[in-house]
Amino acid sequence: ETGVTQSPTHLIKTRGQQVTLRCSSQSGHNTVSWYQQALGQGPQFIFQYYREEENGRGNFPPRFSGLQFPNYSSELNVNALELDDSALYLCASSLQGRRGPETQYFGPGTRLLVL
Amino acid sequence: AQTVTQSQPEMSVQEAETVTLSCTYDTSESDYYLFWYKQPPSRQMILVIRQEAYKQQNATENRFSVNFQKAAKSFSLKISDSQLGDAAMYFCAYEANFNKFYFGSGTKLNVKP
Repeated sequence: ETGVTQSPTHLIKTRGQQVTLRCSSQSGHNTVSWYQQALGQGPQFIFQYYREEENGRGNFPPRFSGLQFPNYSSELNVNALELDDSALYLCASSLQGRRGPETQYFGPGTRLLVL
Repeated sequence: AQTVTQSQPEMSVQEAETVTLSCTYDTSESDYYLFWYKQPPSRQMILVIRQEAYKQQNATENRFSVNFQKAAKSFSLKISDSQLGDAAMYFCAYEANFNKFYFGSGTKLNVKP
């Protein structure tokens, strides 16, 4: 059973640029959630994808968008980067069960620095 | 709105002793899940323990146990026989509506040899 992987591990961009972060979910999982973790803070929920559809969204502007592919891997896209977007971006996968998502398993994260 | 509060930004414990981390949450839901996650300096978030709100029995995982007080909306984590490897950031998390997690701001745990 493979765990959650994310790429790249680190990324440096400049203001106004666009970025794509990638996540491969754990084998057997059908749900992917994305989080933004600013330095010294807890993760903030961005959105969740279930069966290729957005299944919930936190308080993030539309320039944060995502995709989920048939193999349940996922991308997070951020347009028009701002300095405050500098953070650790975490991906978590889970299996949507009858009662809802089971435990989320996190990837190692992508550290994004916007200059 | 759901919120999760961890009132202890940092705590210290002597190796082999017991420490309790506090967490409170606010919700109008009756069915939800609560979690404690550990984030070591290497940053990968690891599940420590999970509690379903409909279960009255407190969850335990080896040296880790919780005190779940549903009426008080309290969910504390007790770490017994603390080890150096327990040093990390600990996050309390709440999940409901099947599609969102809410995390607290974290408690940094230091373990002294």
